[in-house]
Amino acid sequence: EVQVVESGGGLVQPGGSLRLSCAASGFTFSSYSMNWVRQAPGKGLEWVSYISSSSTTIYYADSVKGRFTISRDNAKNSLSLQMNSLRAEDTAVYYCTRVGLGAYHFDYWGQGTLVTVSS
Amino acid sequence: QTVVTQEPSLTVSPGGTVTLTCASSTGAVTSSYYPNWFQQKPGQAPRALIYSTTYKHSWTPARFSGSLLGGKAALTLSGVQPEDEAEYYCLLYYGGTWVFGGGTKLTVL
Repeated sequence: EVQVVESGGGLVQPGGSLRLSCAASGFTFSSYSMNWVRQAPGKGLEWVSYISSSSTTIYYADSVKGRFTISRDNAKNSLSLQMNSLRAEDTAVYYCTRVGLGAYHFDYWGQGTLVTVSS
Repeated sequence: QTVVTQEPSLTVSPGGTVTLTCASSTGAVTSSYYPNWFQQKPGQAPRALIYSTTYKHSWTPARFSGSLLGGKAALTLSGVQPEDEAEYYCLLYYGGTWVFGGGTKLTVL
């Protein structure tokens, strides 16, 4: 069974940092690209970042570019999102999603981890 | 900034048919945007329904179908069930970035 499980969320002050993790199981992690998607409380979905299977291609949304860094460890079946210079508007549930083979679609989603940026 | 637009809300009767649409501020939506559709119920993570315009996942009920309609991506629900009441999001690919629509709240009444 394909599973992706996020962790690392919590309360952080504006300007602070947080690192999210996503543990993958039930599939050959090293063969799939991955994404982070977020959802602010009561709002819609926002794509955050993409990383290809071998980490050779990385993309970021303009809203996080220069502040967030996506990475992966294929040996540990793990995806990460390092978030620096956090702002109140980064408050959201962050979802780890798998990109289906053939690209361009997000098939499996985790349950999400809540990040709250507040003083 | 690219904007993807969906109907904010729609209402459908049980057993009826409803079509949700997804428009791009850049012009007509084509298959090159690889339209995706997702369903999200309160307190749950989104669930993928449709990808690459028309393709269903193994878990997608047969009553859901995707298409291109009048320059937009479309999601049609035929024979709507009460459990289809949810928020629906489309997603379009713009060559290195993805943009979600604002979502359509579907009420089954």
